Amino acid sequence: GQQLNQSPQSMFIQEGEDVSMNCTSSSIFNTWLWYKQDPGEGPVLLIALYKAGELTSNGRLTAQFGITRKDSFLNISASIPSDVGIYFCAGQDNAGNMLTFGGGTRLMVKP
Amino acid sequence: ETGVTQTPRHLVMGMTNKKSLKCEQHLGHNAMYWYKQSAKKPLELMFVYNFKEQTENNSVPSRFSPECPNSSHLFLHLHTLQPEDSALYLCASSLEGGANQPQHFGDGTRLSIL
Repeated sequence: GQQLNQSPQSMFIQEGEDVSMNCTSSSIFNTWLWYKQDPGEGPVLLIALYKAGELTSNGRLTAQFGITRKDSFLNISASIPSDVGIYFCAGQDNAGNMLTFGGGTRLMVKP
Repeated sequence: ETGVTQTPRHLVMGMTNKKSLKCEQHLGHNAMYWYKQSAKKPLELMFVYNFKEQTENNSVPSRFSPECPNSSHLFLHLHTLQPEDSALYLCASSLEGGANQPQHFGDGTRLSIL
């Protein structure tokens, strides 16, 4: 089946630093989604990407749909303590198959 | 508030018990999903319902039985579960099943099997 490799698995950064995480796929995707999951809650959609090369921002978050359609990255600028959580990428191929999720990036922010 | 409500939030049951998880969405969506989230593993899709019809069963053991009486409600009936079934069970919905449809998640039911 499809696999999504998400990296890094975890990050421990200082408040105010910028963060970058990415996902790579073994196959071409038509849709990339980025979610954040806080402890005790379900994943919340942050950004949705539908076109190769698309760059989309949501506040301090910016995500890009890679030109090859096999990767995507998420950047967080000027991190704050409430950015702590697990960030998941998810992708969907052009066959309309269900979403495939990455293993998540656990972000920890030191005040 | 995501518009997807799951109950109960926590459930502890023995291996011989029968229980049900409930999911309700208030988003006017037509597709609903059950996922299993275990520690250190990616989310695993279990079942998909699109317009009340089951369109995906991802090789889930028969001790998990889904039910979708209408587009707003989804149940997961549990019986004779195993300890490895302990996990967070997440429900999600999207406008329709298929491509380009972001899924919106509930907060999950944390299930512990004794």
